[in-house]
Amino acid sequence: DIQMTQSPSSLSASVGDRVTITCRASQSISSYLNWYLQKPGRAPKLLIYAASNLQSGVPSRFSGSGSGTDFTLTISSLQPEDFATYFCQQTYSAPRTFGQGTKVEI
Amino acid sequence: EVHLVESGGGLVQPGGSLRLSCAASGFTFSSYWMTWVRQAPGKGLEWVANIKQDGSEKYYVDSVKGRFTISRDNAKNSMYLQMNSLRGEDTAVYYCAKGGWYFDYWGQGTLVTVSS
Repeated sequence: DIQMTQSPSSLSASVGDRVTITCRASQSISSYLNWYLQKPGRAPKLLIYAASNLQSGVPSRFSGSGSGTDFTLTISSLQPEDFATYFCQQTYSAPRTFGQGTKVEI
Repeated sequence: EVHLVESGGGLVQPGGSLRLSCAASGFTFSSYWMTWVRQAPGKGLEWVANIKQDGSEKYYVDSVKGRFTISRDNAKNSMYLQMNSLRGEDTAVYYCAKGGWYFDYWGQGTLVTVSS
């Protein structure tokens, strides 16, 4: 199975900050990498698919980059509603494993 | 508008069975892979299984192989997860999600609790 490792596990930031979360795969996954946001008690929400494609309706302050084994999610200017846990996920092969999550605290 | 609604969760004893359902609307169900994802209390997301549009391909995480069966009925716009030989570690909120490579819509989840 492909292991996905996110860093950091948590971070504290202020409104307006630029925030970067990284995700590393245990083997190359090309660009088969998605990012989700989850708020407490809610279902996850797709932010970025195929490493760098912004899902429809997602604010442009979110962006993704990377290929192979190293990927990055960037929030250019953190907003109060961005308090959440962020997960990466590889869909290169089954099982389609998730990272352990990064909790962003405002 | 796309809607996914899970049902069938509840409290079950270890070794017992449950069948989860996912009712889909607002899109052409038969055109998409569908997926089950679970989340244990206070934990991260775990991909469980997925199924191809016509049901001809199914994939499972190792921890549920031989115990869980994913299926779908395109005529009813529904997906199912038959869960047998349930264990405490299967306790989780189970989400159905649209898609096989990225999940653009999710249901609200149904809680499965395995406990005596």
